[in-house]
Amino acid sequence: EVQLVESGGGLVQPGGSLRLSCSASGLTFSSHAMHWVRVRQAPGKGLEHVSTISSTGGSTDYADSVKGRFTISRDNSKNTLYLQMNSLRPDDTAVYYCVTDVDTAMVFDHWGQGTLVTVSS
Amino acid sequence: DIVMTQSPDSLVVSLGERATINCKSSQSVLYSSSNKNYLAWYQQKPGQPPKLLIYWASTRESGVPDRFSGSGSGTDFTLTISSLQAEDVAVYYCQQYYTTRMCSFGQGTKLEIK
Repeated sequence: EVQLVESGGGLVQPGGSLRLSCSASGLTFSSHAMHWVRVRQAPGKGLEHVSTISSTGGSTDYADSVKGRFTISRDNSKNTLYLQMNSLRPDDTAVYYCVTDVDTAMVFDHWGQGTLVTVSS
Repeated sequence: DIVMTQSPDSLVVSLGERATINCKSSQSVLYSSSNKNYLAWYQQKPGQPPKLLIYWASTRESGVPDRFSGSGSGTDFTLTISSLQAEDVAVYYCQQYYTTRMCSFGQGTKLEIK
């Protein structure tokens, strides 16, 4: 059974930083792309694909809303995915999910339980 | 960027009745060489992560009840729940994965029981 467990969320002031981690088990981690998806609670703000990283870590991409502020990375020796979030803004407040697409590329078939990031003074 | 627009934003349906959610993409998500629509549907219940229901516009994920069905092609898609059950109360999202590296979701449709 695939398990994805996020950690590292919390309350941070605007302009601050956080590093999210996602520990994966039940899959050959180094064979799969990984993603971060967030859901913001504000009206009209649903799911947003924040970032993606290839299986080797050699290719990454970001939503325009976080480009230049967030960095995705992975350590295949530790089966762990990361999201370094800098220059955080109030509208980054969301539940962040670690996600993978085991069977079909970009079809998100496994999700973690999520970690809440709150950006507020 | 492909923009996904769902309608309605919220929906109230009686138990046992049909629920229909629409999703429109700003450009076609039909890949001509494979004749596949790169469109998925997810269900998110309160306090839970989203759950994959349907992909390739109409292929039900393993374990998803057959009262859930997806249809449509090109730019217009529909998720239908044939006979609403109490456990179907959730927010439903469509997703396009036609753009290979970063996908996009609809804004969500909140489904409630009348």
